Order: sequence, then structure tokens, then C-alpha cells
Amino acid sequence: QSALTQPASVSGSPGQSITISCTGTSSDVGDYNYVSWYQQHPGKAPKLIIYDVSNRPSGVSNRFSGSKSGNTASLTISGLQAEDEADYYCSSYRSSGTFDVFGTGTKVTVL
Amino acid sequence: QVQPQESGPGLVKPSETLSLTCTVSGGSISYYYWSWIRQPPGKGLEWIGYIYYTGSTNHNPSLESRVTISVDRSKNQFSLKLSSVTAADTAVYYCARGGSRMTTVNTFDYWGQGTLVTVSS
Repeated sequence: QSALTQPASVSGSPGQSITISCTGTSSDVGDYNYVSWYQQHPGKAPKLIIYDVSNRPSGVSNRFSGSKSGNTASLTISGLQAEDEADYYCSSYRSSGTFDVFGTGTKVTVL
Repeated sequence: QVQPQESGPGLVKPSETLSLTCTVSGGSISYYYWSWIRQPPGKGLEWIGYIYYTGSTNHNPSLESRVTISVDRSKNQFSLKLSSVTAADTAVYYCARGGSRMTTVNTFDYWGQGTLVTVSS
């Protein structure tokens, strides 16, 4: 059982914007600005797309953006494209306790 | 470009020990946290444990005392041993680089391609 909860699936049409939530607690998401997001296409290794809540690594499209409010972090994909169809995982630093590092994962479907 | 690469047997018998090595090219293993992460077929990501280049480690309590992670800085490698494996340990195993600070230990910026390990007799 992960400490970070994500919706199992989110879908949208090309060009639309979608948002994936990542709900943690005051011991992780709520207390630290060290939330990261990963994109994973089938059969591939995950790829870092957001770190420290809202920063994008070099080379990642600016259609991906991150934010946080309270114990919930969010990933928004703007201008949805077919290539965005993938699984997305969040992760947060937590200072103590169990190391449920990754969220439960969200499958994004482009309609 | 930092490139981690997993290597090791793809088939392990039940009750035996799974052994994998991650060789890092394109950069030094020093000053970073390095993790093992696995993904059972059709399931989500599970963090196994990390090692700092100095040798300090931590691992997922759910794996109890079955996990051993070590580092060989001279070879720019780190390794995973998982003992007493069962079918539930069948997964794709990834090695990945975390940050250089404890607060960014879970920020994995470079990943290996992953290696499937099947536990079966």
C-alpha cells in the first residue's frame, strides 16, 4: 500500500489539458518541496519529467507542469498529444517511516 | 551522459539469492545516491533500497532483511543481493541515480534500461 495516492486512470482528447493528482500526507508532500514525476511508456524505463514540485529537466516539454497545494501535488499536461499516452508516477521525499517512495501510478489515455 | 546498466541472471530458483550489478558509465558514482527499483509485471514501481557512494544504505522495510546493497567505487558499480526469493520477486529490476542530498534521494534522473528477473524452478 503506497503512501502516495494517484487516480488509476485519466483520459483526454488531443489538445486538451489533463491533471493528475498525487495525495500524500503532512509527512511527505505537505512538508517538503521534493516531489518528482515520472513518465513510463510500455516496456521502457521511467523518465523524470518534473522534480522539486515544478522544475523540468532539460529537454522535457514545457507542456508538462507541476504544482502543489497542501498534501496534494499535481501534474498537468497541456496540449495533450498521442505520445503522452503512458503511465505516470509521483514520488516524494519523506523524513521518516516507511519508504513508500512511489505513488500508485496513473494511466493516461489519449482518446 | 550518465548511463546506468543492469546485469545479472535472468532466471533465479526459489529460495536462492538474486544478484544484480549496476555499472555506471559517463559519470562518477561518487557524491550521489543510487537506488534499486523493481516493477512486477503489470504493476507499479517499488523502491528496494539505496546506497550512498560512501557505502551507507537504506532499504524498503517490506523486504525485511533480505536486501543487501553494496558499492565498488573502483569499478563505478553498485550491486543488489536479494535472498530467499519467491515468485513474488519476479520483476523488472532497475538501477537509478538519485540526487546528491538526502532530500533528493528519490529524484531519479538517470535510469538503467531494466532487466527482467524471473523466479522459477
